[in-house]
Amino acid sequence: AQSVTQLDSHVSVSEGTPVLLRCNYSSSYSPSLFWYVQHPNKGLQLLLKYTSAATLVKGINGFEAEFKKSETSFHLTKPSAHMSDAAEYFCVVSDMGTYKYIFGTGTRLKVLA
Amino acid sequence: DTAVSQTPKYLVTQMGNDKSIKCEQNLGHDTMYWYKQDSKKFLKIMFSYNNKELIINETVPNRFSPKSPDKAHLNLHINSLELGDSAVYFCASSLGYEQYFGPGTRLTVT
Repeated sequence: AQSVTQLDSHVSVSEGTPVLLRCNYSSSYSPSLFWYVQHPNKGLQLLLKYTSAATLVKGINGFEAEFKKSETSFHLTKPSAHMSDAAEYFCVVSDMGTYKYIFGTGTRLKVLA
Repeated sequence: DTAVSQTPKYLVTQMGNDKSIKCEQNLGHDTMYWYKQDSKKFLKIMFSYNNKELIINETVPNRFSPKSPDKAHLNLHINSLELGDSAVYFCASSLGYEQYFGPGTRLTVT
């Protein structure tokens, strides 16, 4: 069965410093992996996706993630945090060929001035 | 142009009432979903329809009934609302593995 673990429920960084949000997954098949962002009282926006192509995936707003099969990880990074990055971030796994998304429990990113 | 829209955005109602939330997508996608996000932000799939056919039905009380009149619409009807139904409900659609989410409907049951 698929599952996703987001290792940190809260992360605080200073503006201009790097961001690392950690995600580990479990999947019986070749997974598709996603990161979504949810700003307060807003819907979910896709940041980036991995679907068995390049293992380093670039997304919107300067975010990227690296798929590491040996570590079953898909951590999200950004070199320099901006105040507007403060939001809830969700790591998601979906098995190829199925329609089912499994969400992680979310990581709340706080950016300090 | 709004890709996935939901109405209403906010819904406040009393216990025991019956209410519906509507979802429409203009992306031409075949598959639509309903998710529930609880107060701790946890998102869980409830239902999924593919070309008007139910394909995912998670462990959800049978007070919840999805209806898909056509592949662009997926409505959620809830009978006999309970306090625990208070949550944000998200609709989504997909053509393949990537899902597009609506803005959410915040349901408050008093």
